[in-house]
Amino acid sequence: DAKTTQPTSMDCAEGRAANLPCNHSTISGNEYVYWYRQIHSQGPQYIIHGLKNNETNEMASLIITEDRKSSTLILPHATLRDTAVYYCIVRGSGSARQLTFGSGTQLTVLP
Amino acid sequence: DTAVSQTPKYLVTQMGNDKSIKCEQNLGHDTMYWYKQDSKKFLKIMFSYNNKELIINETVPNRFSPKSPDKAHLNLHINSLELGDSAVYFCASSQRQNTGELFFGEGSRLTVL
Repeated sequence: DAKTTQPTSMDCAEGRAANLPCNHSTISGNEYVYWYRQIHSQGPQYIIHGLKNNETNEMASLIITEDRKSSTLILPHATLRDTAVYYCIVRGSGSARQLTFGSGTQLTVLP
Repeated sequence: DTAVSQTPKYLVTQMGNDKSIKCEQNLGHDTMYWYKQDSKKFLKIMFSYNNKELIINETVPNRFSPKSPDKAHLNLHINSLELGDSAVYFCASSQRQNTGELFFGEGSRLTVL
């Protein structure tokens, strides 16, 4: 599975949109982009995933560039409870393909 | 009602002991996993079971033995505990094996003294 690169940390003001970038320049055609987050002392939580189209759900939006070499997770109105480590993961579509977590981005939402 | 539950949440034990961590999911999922998160916060997969059959077995010492009595349970038994086994162990489940949408438990923090 392709490697991802994320900034180590980011801050965001409460109520503003949080835009978390991820580079995955070696992604191949059948690999999906997944986003998870881990709030301190909790288990990782699935947020969203996509292949090439932009996706939106109740938690976030995922914008994938046309060449699929990068993506952005958008939390439209960040709250203090969104403070967490956010992981961008590229995963192939075959069976038994595992999720490989990197070091992620520590997002801190500031009051 | 907790979807993926692990017990115990905290475990403190001496080197050389044997311990088990239990995991249960009530989501009706076919696939279950064990992940390890070390002190540097890296999450690594250890094992995955699909319908009680082992499908992923990463390079893990054979002191670690998973057991799946049924598809709702995946337990982790660790023999001869070492200091380096100290970590948070996360259980997870997914509806099927070819999906990346996993549901994680709250973790079991193991401390080996």
